Amino acid sequence: KAGVTQTPRYLIKTRGQQVTLSCSPISGHRSVSWYQQTPGQGLQFLFEYFSETQRNKGNFPGRFSGRQFSNSRSEMNVSTLELGDSALYLCASSLVLGDSEQYFGPGTRLTVT
Amino acid sequence: QQQVKQSPQSLIVQKGGISIINCAYENTAFDYFPWYQQFPGKGPALLIAIRPDVSEKKEGRFTISFNKSAKQFSLHIMDSQPGDSATYFCAASPPGYALNFGKGTSLLVTP
Repeated sequence: KAGVTQTPRYLIKTRGQQVTLSCSPISGHRSVSWYQQTPGQGLQFLFEYFSETQRNKGNFPGRFSGRQFSNSRSEMNVSTLELGDSALYLCASSLVLGDSEQYFGPGTRLTVT
Repeated sequence: QQQVKQSPQSLIVQKGGISIINCAYENTAFDYFPWYQQFPGKGPALLIAIRPDVSEKKEGRFTISFNKSAKQFSLHIMDSQPGDSATYFCAASPPGYALNFGKGTSLLVTP
């Protein structure tokens, strides 16, 4: 069974631009969570989607948003990029909402210049 | 604030030795405690997990010890190998909510 896939793997953007990251969960998994990983803050939860609805949200500004499609694929969008948004963005999938057993993708490395 | 505190930040162990990483938490609502292993350039991989109804869980060379009264849990890697060199994260979550991660431990196993 294929794992979680994320595209693109690497991205360089300029401050003020916006970016969209994509995640395809493991086949059969219906819940998708997004995390931000930085050396200083570690792994921080952004949000979780299930049945095309955001179910849980972390403590991030409104510039961070996401959505989920009917095939469970998810996208994450960051608008008005700031230098501090440079991070590894990780997507994790689980079978159902609230399922703690999460499987991570390889991440998208975003660099904001 | 950091809901899960992990130590040490880095660890060097000789091949064949035992690696021990510790985590502590405060939220008694946490009921799921996984450990993840992350290699450079990769996403975290679920290694082993425990729920508070058991005090120990073993999978191969990896063991989680859980102390509910002390609100602590630890990962033991027996017979550590150079291929185990990676960053290890503990995490905890209450039912139905997101994982709270520790800051990570960088493990180096020397030949």
